[in-house]
Amino acid sequence: DIKMTQSPSSLSASVGGRVTITCRASQSISNYLNWYQQIPGKAPKLLIYAASNLQSGVPSRFSGSGSGTDFTLTIRSLQPEDFATYYCQQSYTTPRVTFGQGTKLEIK
Amino acid sequence: QVQLVQSGAEVKKPGSSMKVSCRASGGTFNSSSISWVRQAPGQGLEWMGRIIPIFGATDYAQNFQGRVTMTADKSTGAAYMELSSLRSEDTAVYYCTRYAIIVATSRGGDYYGMDVWGQGTTVTVSS
Repeated sequence: DIKMTQSPSSLSASVGGRVTITCRASQSISNYLNWYQQIPGKAPKLLIYAASNLQSGVPSRFSGSGSGTDFTLTIRSLQPEDFATYYCQQSYTTPRVTFGQGTKLEIK
Repeated sequence: QVQLVQSGAEVKKPGSSMKVSCRASGGTFNSSSISWVRQAPGQGLEWMGRIIPIFGATDYAQNFQGRVTMTADKSTGAAYMELSSLRSEDTAVYYCTRYAIIVATSRGGDYYGMDVWGQGTTVTVSS
């Protein structure tokens, strides 16, 4: 199985700030990488697919990049509703997918 | 827009089985897969497997092989996930998701994502 490792596991930031979350795959996955956002008590929501493409309805302050083994999710101009846990997920070995362990973003 | 509606919370005894249902509301599964993902308390997301309802074809994660069975009823538009030989470590929220092609490519290697999620079903395994 392809292992997905996110860093950091948690971070804190201020409203209006900018954060970057990293996801590393144990082998090359091209750009078969999705990002999800999970607000506590809610189901995850697809944010970004194919490493850099925003799902419909996702604000443009979210962006993704990367290819191969290293990927990033950047959120600029943080809003209160962005404080959540973020997961990366590889779909290279679809349908057998794997998730990163998650990154919890908290308000500073 | 299709929504996925799951069955309600359950409390189970160790060694018993659980069965969670997932129904499409406002649409159908079409040819998409339904993947099942679980989340233990305070933990991350774990893929359990998937079923293509129109074919009944399944793929299961190695961790659940022999304990999980995914089925679908085309007449009612429901998918089911059954997990047997329950233990306390199976206490979790179980989600069904639509695993669909987000972007098709002409060269193959379509891009898939879990674009619709059920509300989750909390299963507690306790004696």
